[in-house]
Amino acid sequence: GDSVTQKEGLVTLTEGLPVMLNCTYQTIYSNAFLFWYVHYLNESPRLLLKSSTDNKRTEHQGFHATLHKSSSSFHLQKSSAQLSDSALYYCALSNNRIFFGDGTQLVVKP
Amino acid sequence: DAGVTQTPRHEVAEKGQTIILKCEPVSGHNDLFWYRQTKIQGLELLSYFRSKSLMEDGGAFKDRFKAEMLNSSFSTLKIQPTEPKDSAVYLCASSLGGRAETLYFGSGTRLTVL
Repeated sequence: GDSVTQKEGLVTLTEGLPVMLNCTYQTIYSNAFLFWYVHYLNESPRLLLKSSTDNKRTEHQGFHATLHKSSSSFHLQKSSAQLSDSALYYCALSNNRIFFGDGTQLVVKP
Repeated sequence: DAGVTQTPRHEVAEKGQTIILKCEPVSGHNDLFWYRQTKIQGLELLSYFRSKSLMEDGGAFKDRFKAEMLNSSFSTLKIQPTEPKDSAVYLCASSLGGRAETLYFGSGTRLTVL
């Protein structure tokens, strides 16, 4: 069945270093959408970015991700982590249903 | 535009009590979801409504969890009876419907069961 895997439960980084949060997925649908949602403490989870186009880079708020259907991946990246990026990040797959990964907690330290 | 509204923000219950959580989706949205959020399990789907019809009831949560959507602008999640393991954040989300559509989340209800 369809699924999303975020292999890192916790990522701890020093401010200024690059961020990469892994997301791989499994689906039989060729036109599924992939999403990244971010959940800051004491706020509501919200959309960070989404894509369904193969090999096209999607950017928002300094983050970017490229959907690679050949490797079933949609990794989230940022060139330089900021303290304010500390949050819980969810990768999600949407076809006829929505599937969430287990989430990756990103902690950025000074 | 008003987002998704959830009440209460915090709820403390004794084991065995019945609690009701409330959610008002974004106006015009067709899909409504209830999720439980924990550190161990991540986001677990409890219920999913499309145009007020229950599409999914979360399998393992069926026995004590019951979500209802009496009209397009209001949904409730009843937990009866509560158990300490139900302590978690309960999130409601809505969307226009369709695989390309964004989920809009409420701020959640933090439930503590003693």
